[in-house]
Amino acid sequence: SAVISQKPSRDICQRGTSLTIQCQVDSQVTMMFWYRQQPGQSLTLIATANQGSEATYESGFVIDKFPISRPNLTFSTLTVSNMSPEDSSIYLCSVGGGSLPGNYGYTFGSGTRLTVV
Amino acid sequence: AQSVTQLDSQVPVFEEAPVELRCNYSSSVSVYLFWYVQYPNQGLQLLLKYLSGSTLVKGINGFEAEFNKSQTSFHLRKPSVHISDTAEYFCAVSDPQGGSEKLVFGKGTKLTVNP
Repeated sequence: SAVISQKPSRDICQRGTSLTIQCQVDSQVTMMFWYRQQPGQSLTLIATANQGSEATYESGFVIDKFPISRPNLTFSTLTVSNMSPEDSSIYLCSVGGGSLPGNYGYTFGSGTRLTVV
Repeated sequence: AQSVTQLDSQVPVFEEAPVELRCNYSSSVSVYLFWYVQYPNQGLQLLLKYLSGSTLVKGINGFEAEFNKSQTSFHLRKPSVHISDTAEYFCAVSDPQGGSEKLVFGKGTKLTVNP
C-alpha cells in the first residue's frame, strides 16, 4: 500500500490567517481525499482531488474556504483559509487503492493537528 | 446516501477478555466495508476490509470481522484483548458502484482495555 507523508504534523495559528497542508505519496494515485476530524468526532470528507481537474467538494465545504491543489499524481495541498477557532481539527489526507479490487482500501496520512487561537 | 452506525460510543473491557464492536450500515446494495483504528494522537490504520468473497475477514493484530448482508452488519471481534488495543475504532463504508472511492465513517467506538 502507498505511504503518505503529511506535514505539518501540528500547528497553532492565529485567527484570520491561512495554513497550507501538504500531502506527498510515494506512488502515483488517481484519487486523493481530504478529511476533517473535529475534536472527539468522526471523520468527514472535505473533498476529492483528482489530478488535472477541479476538486469535488462535499456538502458544507467550499473552495474559497478550503482551496485544494493537485499538481501531479503524487502530491496535493489543502489550505484552510481565514481560520477561526471552529477550524481547530485534525486534517487527514488519504489515497484510494485504485481500480484493482485487491488494492481497494485507503491509506491515511498521520494527520495535521490544527489549533486556531 | 450511505450511513454507518456504530452502536457503542465507548466499550470498556478487561485485559484478555473478548470484545465485539458493532457496526451497521444503511444500504443492502453491494458495499465495501472497512475497520480502522486510531491510536491517541495518531492517524488512521486499516485493520481489515471486506470487498467480496468470504464473509469472515481476518485483519491485523488478531482482529476479525464478519460481514452479514441480511443484517447489514460488519461487527469487529477479538477473542482476547491487550492493553495496547486501547484506541478508537472506526467502521467505514464505500459504495463501489458510485464511481468514487470516498468513505463514509461511523462515529467511532472508544475501546478501553483495563488491567
